[in-house]
Amino acid sequence: EAGVTQFPSHSVIEKGQTVTLRCDPISGHDNLYWYRRVMGKEIKFLLHFVKESKQDESGMPNNRFLAERTGGTYSTLKVQPAELEDSGVYFCASSPRQGVLSVEQYFGPGTRLTVT
Amino acid sequence: DQQVKQNSPSLSVQEGRISILNCDYTNSMFDYFLWYKKYPAEGPTFLISISSIKDKNEDGRFTVFLNKSAKHLSLHIVPSQPGDSAVYFCAASDTGNTPLVFGKGTRLSVIA
Repeated sequence: EAGVTQFPSHSVIEKGQTVTLRCDPISGHDNLYWYRRVMGKEIKFLLHFVKESKQDESGMPNNRFLAERTGGTYSTLKVQPAELEDSGVYFCASSPRQGVLSVEQYFGPGTRLTVT
Repeated sequence: DQQVKQNSPSLSVQEGRISILNCDYTNSMFDYFLWYKKYPAEGPTFLISISSIKDKNEDGRFTVFLNKSAKHLSLHIVPSQPGDSAVYFCAASDTGNTPLVFGKGTRLSVIA
């Protein structure tokens, strides 16, 4: 079974430009999460999808960030326009529908975003 | 304000000895606690979890202990191996299917 994949692995853009990150969750996983880790800090929650619906977007920093999950499969996270403080590693994670014994989330390798 | 705290940024242990990683939390609503391991340039990998109704969970060389009254959990690795060298994140959740709240991580170095 393929794991969570993310594209690109690394992106370097200038302040003011737009970047789109993509996440492909594990097949059949309804839950998809986006997290971000700024250097040296904790991994912070951004957004949670259940299938194609946004369940919780309380972690989104501001309206420069837009996430979509059309069709309930892959998801994109667009940053427009990018600012210096958006630099960090963006992780995507997925998990199946709620099961009694399973709370773990499966993470992708992350996209390292550098805004210069 | 951080709800999950890992106060030791790093830990160095000799191969074969026990590694003990600590985690404290402030939110009494947390029901599940998880440990993730992370190698450079990779995503976090799930290691072991514990529900709040238990005080211990064991999986091979890894054991997690939970002290609810102290709002403290710890991960024990015994015996430690060089391949265990990684950053370990403590995470918590109030129910399944909700976002995880992470600590800042502890970098474990196991010296041969």
